[in-house]
Amino acid sequence: GNSVTQMEGPVTLSEEAFLTINCTYTATGYPSLFWYVQYPGEGLQLLLKATKADDKGSNKGFEATYRKETTSFHLEKGSVQVSDSAVYFCALSDPTNDYKLSFGAGTTVTVRA
Amino acid sequence: DGGITQSPKYLFRKEGQNVTLSCEQNLNHDAMYWYRQDPGQGLRLIYYSQIVNDFQKGDIAEGYSVSREKKESFPLTVTSAQKNPTAFYLCASSIGGTSYTFGSGTRLTVV
Repeated sequence: GNSVTQMEGPVTLSEEAFLTINCTYTATGYPSLFWYVQYPGEGLQLLLKATKADDKGSNKGFEATYRKETTSFHLEKGSVQVSDSAVYFCALSDPTNDYKLSFGAGTTVTVRA
Repeated sequence: DGGITQSPKYLFRKEGQNVTLSCEQNLNHDAMYWYRQDPGQGLRLIYYSQIVNDFQKGDIAEGYSVSREKKESFPLTVTSAQKNPTAFYLCASSIGGTSYTFGSGTRLTVV
């Protein structure tokens, strides 16, 4: 079956620090990969995505590269801000599994001024 | 602007009561999903529908029911058989398996 494993939190950083959240996956087919962000009391917002191997998704200074050989999709940001404090979810959709989104457990990130 | 609307934002359920959560989308997406989120956990799939008048159980369907009579609407009923319904419920829609949109969620509390 499909599964997503992401780095456990919580993660606490100082402003302008480098952020990495590890994400690895298992999938039956050739999945698309996603990072979503959730602010308190809100739904999920798409942060970035990649649909094939070696694709790099990027948005708002965040990046993640689809690594098929290591089945990974690690999220990185070079200089975080207080406004980046949120919960981050790694997810995949698999065409052999009706394109249902499978999520990691989420990583809570807190950035201190 | 297109999007997904979930209502109500907050819902309180008494013991033994059925409640229905609304989810409406105007994105013309074929597929719709319901997820449950518990504190500190990821999202778990309750039900999904790929076309009108058809839906499938997800990983935690027990105690829930859905209908898909219109493309735009996918309501979720939390029945009295769901013993621990307090959670945050998220509805989503998608097209092509690479573009998903989420609603802002409904927080259900048992009182």
